[in-house]
Amino acid sequence: AQSVAQPEDQVNVAEGNPLTVKCTYSVSGNPYLFWYVQYPNRGLQFLLKYITGDNLVKGSYGFEAEFNKSQTSFHLKKPSALVSDSALYFCAVRGYYGNNRLAFGKGNQVVVIP
Amino acid sequence: EAQVTQNPRYLITVTGKKLTVTCSQNMNHEYMSWYRQDPGLGLRQIYYSMNVEVTDKGDVPEGYKVSRKEKRNFPLILESPSPNQTSLYFCASSLAGGLDTQYFGPGTRLTVL
Repeated sequence: AQSVAQPEDQVNVAEGNPLTVKCTYSVSGNPYLFWYVQYPNRGLQFLLKYITGDNLVKGSYGFEAEFNKSQTSFHLKKPSALVSDSALYFCAVRGYYGNNRLAFGKGNQVVVIP
Repeated sequence: EAQVTQNPRYLITVTGKKLTVTCSQNMNHEYMSWYRQDPGLGLRQIYYSMNVEVTDKGDVPEGYKVSRKEKRNFPLILESPSPNQTSLYFCASSLAGGLDTQYFGPGTRLTVL
């Protein structure tokens, strides 16, 4: 079965500094990878996804993520964090084989300090 | 406006009293899903549906039922709620299957006493 690990509970970063949120995955076959963001009292919003092709994926709000097959990772990055980026970030994976179930990680709380 | 709606947004109930949380989408999506969100556990999939009359279990289906009689609606039914079902529930839909972007509803916070 597919699974996702987001090793850090909380990521603190100063405004203007680079932001990285880590994600590693386990899946049979090729992975399909997603990042979602949840702002307080809201549902999840899609940021970006990797299906195939270029390992560097660009998404909404200036975020990007790099797919690394050898390290089974899909880290989310932003060159310069904003206070408004403070939110809960979820990584998710679906395997090429089998069912249509999407496995989410436990989430990372990002706090951008002014 | 394209959206996924859930009702109610907040619900406090007692053990054993049957309840239904409704979910509706206006995007003509084929795929719909229910998740529960618990602190430290992230989102866990309860049930999903690939199309009308096609449903399947997710990771944590015990104690829940679903139905998909119409394309736009995917209600979540708790026949006999228990305190361990206290959680934040999200409905989501996508065009077709797990490769597509999922659109999430605003969430339903359920407390079972």
